[in-house]
Amino acid sequence: NAGVMQNPRHLVRRRGQEARLRCSPMKGHSHVYWYRQLPEEGLKFMVYLQKENIIDESGMPKERFSAEFPKEGPSILRIQQVVRGDSAAYFCASSAGQTNTEAFFGQGTRLTVV
Amino acid sequence: KNEVEQSPQNLTAQEGEFITINCSYSVGISALHWLQQHPGGGIVSLFMLSSGKKKHGRLIATINIQEKHSSLHITASHPRDSAVYICAVSPNTGNQFYFGTGTSLTVIP
Repeated sequence: NAGVMQNPRHLVRRRGQEARLRCSPMKGHSHVYWYRQLPEEGLKFMVYLQKENIIDESGMPKERFSAEFPKEGPSILRIQQVVRGDSAAYFCASSAGQTNTEAFFGQGTRLTVV
Repeated sequence: KNEVEQSPQNLTAQEGEFITINCSYSVGISALHWLQQHPGGGIVSLFMLSSGKKKHGRLIATINIQEKHSSLHITASHPRDSAVYICAVSPNTGNQFYFGTGTSLTVIP
C-alpha cells in the first residue's frame, strides 16, 4: 500500500483556516475514496471519486468540505474554515475498480485544529 | 446499528498465543477486507475475501457468506502484531466500504 501517497502526514491549522489534504493514488488506479477517522471512532466514508467526477459524496458534511480528483494530479480534500471538531485522521484509498476489487490505503493525514 | 460488528473490542494476549477476531455483517457483500492499523500509523490491507479461506504467513482469514461472518486468526502471536484490526465490507450496492470499529490487540512478551 506504499503506493498510495498522502500528504502532509500531519497538519495543524488554527480555527477558521483552510486545510488541504492530498492523495496520490497507486499508479493505474482511477478510483479514490476518502474516509475520516474521528478519535475513538471507526472509519467513516466521506466521498468516492473517479477522475474528474464525484461519484458519491453522501458522507461529506454539507458545508465547508469539498473534494476533487482532477485529470492530472492528486485528489484533494479541502476543508474550509476548520473547527476543532474537524480534528481527525483522514485516509485515502484507491482501487483499479469499484470496492469489490482490492483497495489500497494511504498512511493518512492527521489534522489537528487548534 | 452498525452494518459491521467486531468482537472483541480489546484483546490482550501472551506472546505465542493463538488469537481470533470475529466480524459479523448485516448487508449483502461482494467482498470483505481485513485491515491493520498500528498506533498513529496508516492502514494496511491484510486480506480481501469473497469466499473460503486465505492464509498469509501467520495470519489466516475465513469467511462464511451464508452466516455473514468472518474470522481473522493469528497463530504464534508476537508483540509486533499489536495493532488495531479492522473488518470492512464492500456491499453489493453502493460505492463505499462499511467498517467495523476495530479490535485493539496487545501482545505481551
